[in-house]
Amino acid sequence: AIQLTQSPPSLSAFVGDRVTITCRASQAISNALAWYQQTPGKPPKVLISDASTLESGVPSRFSGGGSGTYFTLSISSLQPEDFATYYCQQFYSFPRTFGQGTRVEVK
Amino acid sequence: QAHLVQSGPEVRKPGASVKVSCKTSGYSFATYIITWVRQAPGQGLEWMGYVNPYSGNANYVESLQGRVTMTTDTSTKTAYLDLRNLTSGDTAVYYCARGLSTEWFDFWGQGTLVTVS
Repeated sequence: AIQLTQSPPSLSAFVGDRVTITCRASQAISNALAWYQQTPGKPPKVLISDASTLESGVPSRFSGGGSGTYFTLSISSLQPEDFATYYCQQFYSFPRTFGQGTRVEVK
Repeated sequence: QAHLVQSGPEVRKPGASVKVSCKTSGYSFATYIITWVRQAPGQGLEWMGYVNPYSGNANYVESLQGRVTMTTDTSTKTAYLDLRNLTSGDTAVYYCARGLSTEWFDFWGQGTLVTVS
């Protein structure tokens, strides 16, 4: 199975900060990657598919990039509602796998 | 707008089975794949497998083979997850999720907590 390693595991930031989360795949996965946001007690919400395609209704402050084995999720100006845990997920091969998550906390 | 509504929390003893339902509405049920994902308390997300409502075909993660069955009922637009021979390691919130393919998932159920104790 393809392993996804996210970094950092957690980070603290201020409202208005730019934040970047990375996701590294154990083998090349082209652009077969999605990003999700999860708040406590809620299901995940898809933000980005195909590594960089912003899903409908997702604010433009979110952006995704990368291909192959290295991917990024950036938030250009952190808003109060963005404090959450973020997961990457690969769909290059079965079984689908998720990163371990990155928790974004208020500083 | 698609909606996926899951059945309520369950408590089971080790060795027992559980069946979780996921009732859908607001979209063409047979057009979208249903994927099941679970999340142990305080942990990350684990892909369990998927079922295709149109064909009935299913694909499961190897670690659950032999203990899991995913089915659908097109007449009620409901998907089911059946997990057998439960252990404490199966304690988790179980989510159903919709996808146009098996790739990524755009609408999710609210989750069902299954406690094995």
